[in-house]
Amino acid sequence: DSGVTQTPKHLITATGQRVTLRCSPRSGDLSVYWYQQSLDQGLQFLIQYYNGEERAKGNILERFSAQQFPDLHSELNLSSLELGDSALYFCASSVAGEKDTQYFGPGTRLTVL
Amino acid sequence: GESVGLHLPTLSVQEGDNSIINCAYSNSASDYFIWYKQESGKGPQFIIDIRSNMDKRQGQRVTVLLNKTVKHLSLQIAATQPGDSAVYFCAEAGAGFQKLVFGTGTRLLVSP
Repeated sequence: DSGVTQTPKHLITATGQRVTLRCSPRSGDLSVYWYQQSLDQGLQFLIQYYNGEERAKGNILERFSAQQFPDLHSELNLSSLELGDSALYFCASSVAGEKDTQYFGPGTRLTVL
Repeated sequence: GESVGLHLPTLSVQEGDNSIINCAYSNSASDYFIWYKQESGKGPQFIIDIRSNMDKRQGQRVTVLLNKTVKHLSLQIAATQPGDSAVYFCAEAGAGFQKLVFGTGTRLLVSP
């Protein structure tokens, strides 16, 4: 158990819908990262937050957004969902943001029908 | 674009053997490298990391070797056990922030 929690574990929804994935980092960690894992793209970095502020952006679609709240938990919002958005979404956390080990949560499996 | 090249082979070993998983990276500016293990249905689990100012680092039953000249990273697992069966990913990070670029993974199968 990494100490990072994610909810829900599974999510099934329809195209065009909007969902919110939630992540609680390890106690004391200030950075949260979101990754998408799909069969054809592998693990792809989406976005990083540090102490409430966006720190880095990766291959995140405009339909996706994230935020980190004062209690340091983070949410990833996915809207106008498409079939191709079906994937595992992982959250990771680290103490700070510079070369600290990232610890991953168990992931949320999103299925878009 | 930047990439961490790890074609997805399957490495099959016998319990007790030593395993070596290889990874080629393409970004010569990367200075931090990590190995993760992912079991079915779980998130990636940190195994070991190495910074670019080192060429070898050892953990418990694992050793990571870094050859910056040929941009190659390897993970050695000693006395491989059935519980080591998983997909192993190498990842790299450049300077500035911790965006990790992951390879495609290698599946390790350990038979008793």
